Amino acid sequence: SQQGEEDPQALSIQEGENATMNCSYKTSINNLQWYRQNSGRGLVHLILIRSNEREKHSGRLRVTLDTSKKSSSLLITASRAADTASYFCATWAIQGAQKLVFGQGTRLTINP
Amino acid sequence: GAVVSQHPSWVICKSGTSVKIECRSLDFQATTMFWYRQFPKQSLMLMATSNEGSKATYEQGVEKDKFLINHASLTLSTLTVTSAHPEDSSFYICSASPAGLSHEQYFGPGTRLTVT
Repeated sequence: SQQGEEDPQALSIQEGENATMNCSYKTSINNLQWYRQNSGRGLVHLILIRSNEREKHSGRLRVTLDTSKKSSSLLITASRAADTASYFCATWAIQGAQKLVFGQGTRLTINP
Repeated sequence: GAVVSQHPSWVICKSGTSVKIECRSLDFQATTMFWYRQFPKQSLMLMATSNEGSKATYEQGVEKDKFLINHASLTLSTLTVTSAHPEDSSFYICSASPAGLSHEQYFGPGTRLTVT
């Protein structure tokens, strides 16, 4: 079952603005990952943040992790039309089944 | 970077027939491969995990006799949808992990299956 909850489910902003997506999960995790999916395509790995990390940057991406609240956020700064895609968080649990559990995703639209 | 391919990228088949989807890791050996399905505007749902040389582990609710998975080599896993029905129409995505790094998954581009 999907344990990740993401909000918003859909987000539409103007090019140049920042986009923030949130992800909540239920179990204790080893790491949390963010992926991007363009329509009808496979997944592109964006960033992995480990449970002992609080913040991570990669280019225009900034990911935070709050294990006490079991939540993470993905911030895309200075958005571009090419950032239009669905974004998914996925968690890897510390115990139990060794698999990625995906959130429901956020559909991001960047308007030119 | 690690590349995973899927073939075919899309397929149309008639009800009652079987269709095979291949997942290949092109530049690394994948001891573990995962198969997901995704319905329109929904998230990925894990169907099964396969380890090279052993039987696949299916998620609850996934019929193992309908979705046959074979992971015969360290670079190839196949998913066969047997006796396909229109409700099997979906986007099937595989991922592959290098040895000892199951949390590090590289995703294929997906296969769009349409059953008529």
